[in-house]
Amino acid sequence: EVQLVASGGDLAQPGGSLRLSCAGSGFTFYNYAMMWVRQAPGKGLEWVSSISGRSDSTFYGGSVKGRFTISRDNSKNMLYLQMNSLRAEDTAIYYCAMSDCDSFACKLIAYWGQGTLVTVSS
Amino acid sequence: DIQMTQSPSTLSASVGDRVTITCRASQTISYWLAWYQQKSGRAPKLLIQKASSLESGVPSRFSGSASGTEFTLTIGGLQPDDFATYYCQQYHDYPITFGQGTRLEIK
Repeated sequence: EVQLVASGGDLAQPGGSLRLSCAGSGFTFYNYAMMWVRQAPGKGLEWVSSISGRSDSTFYGGSVKGRFTISRDNSKNMLYLQMNSLRAEDTAIYYCAMSDCDSFACKLIAYWGQGTLVTVSS
Repeated sequence: DIQMTQSPSTLSASVGDRVTITCRASQTISYWLAWYQQKSGRAPKLLIQKASSLESGVPSRFSGSASGTEFTLTIGGLQPDDFATYYCQQYHDYPITFGQGTRLEIK
């Protein structure tokens, strides 16, 4: 059974940093592109970032480009999101998700894990 | 960026009703369109990919169709478990974009 368990969400100050983690299990981790999608309280879904299976390609949404960095460690079946220069508008539930193939072209969100809440406030 | 315009934002219906949700893309996306269901407090779940391909385990009362840049999700014979929020998503190009969502509520 596929499991994606996100962690690391917390209360952060504006301008501060947080690192989210996601542990994948039940599938061959390096065979799948992974991504982060967020949802502000009471709002819709916003794609944040994607990374290919072998980390050779990464993509970012315009609102986070230059501030967030996605990475993965296939030896540990882990996905990460380093979030810097946080803003109040980054407050959201962050979902870890997997695609259905491994390349940069894989953009279908086949499975979503549970989310982790990030709150940015002074 | 490809804009996805989803309507209606809220839909009131009764058990047994047939309902349709529409999503329009701002440019051609071929059939690279997915539909997700999100229940309150839960992560979204993939229902349909490639505009009309039903995921394994999804009831057959759910169906998807496409005509040019307009896509529809139809639920025939609403069940109590179907009342949730539905989102469309284009995966033709980056950035990946979603529709605004349709909240399906009990009349």
